[in-house]
Amino acid sequence: DVKVTQSSRYLVKRTGEKVFLECVQDMDHENMFWYRQDPGLGLRLIYFSYDVKMKEKGDIPEGYSVSREKKERFSLILESASTNQTSMYLCASSLSPRTSGYEQYFGPGTRLTVT
Amino acid sequence: RKEVEQDPGPFNVPEGATVAFNCTYSNSASQSFFWYRQDCRKEPKLLMSVYSSGNEDGRFTAQLNRASQYISLLIRDSKLSDSATYLCVVKAAGNKLTFGGGTRVLVKP
Repeated sequence: DVKVTQSSRYLVKRTGEKVFLECVQDMDHENMFWYRQDPGLGLRLIYFSYDVKMKEKGDIPEGYSVSREKKERFSLILESASTNQTSMYLCASSLSPRTSGYEQYFGPGTRLTVT
Repeated sequence: RKEVEQDPGPFNVPEGATVAFNCTYSNSASQSFFWYRQDCRKEPKLLMSVYSSGNEDGRFTAQLNRASQYISLLIRDSKLSDSATYLCVVKAAGNKLTFGGGTRVLVKP
């Protein structure tokens, strides 16, 4: 069974703080993704990574950065948290489409509140 | 215009009834299509892929209409446990998936 874990279920941070969200998958997946989910807007892709030390911008990368130093771990960084970054953050992983389909496996999510 | 659009619902469905809903996509180059299911306060999970010829998985039937650029999901003999948000997902080039906002289905006794 694929398991994607995220470091926190709930997080409260102050405006201007640096925030780290960690995601770990245990199935040796090449691809990892960070989304945010907001009511009425659905899931929006922030960043994704095809391989270690590789990253690509998604649809809404502004205000975020990522790090992938190891294959199993993908971190999302909010350099200076703002109230409009209050959201549910979901991490996902998938195999390369060359070896499998495009099914993405999601972690349980981190609900971040920035005050 | 959103790339993937869904009626947010909710669709209130009597137990045992059939419910169907659509999703439209704007990118004619879209290659692959999926339905994901998301339970309340849970993560999304793949429900089924959608093939050009249409496909069934038990009580669930998915259809693709490339000419009109929409996909559909039909749930037959609805169960209480089918209550969830159903996310339409579309893949164009590359590995990126684009998610719709979801259609909420509430099955009532």
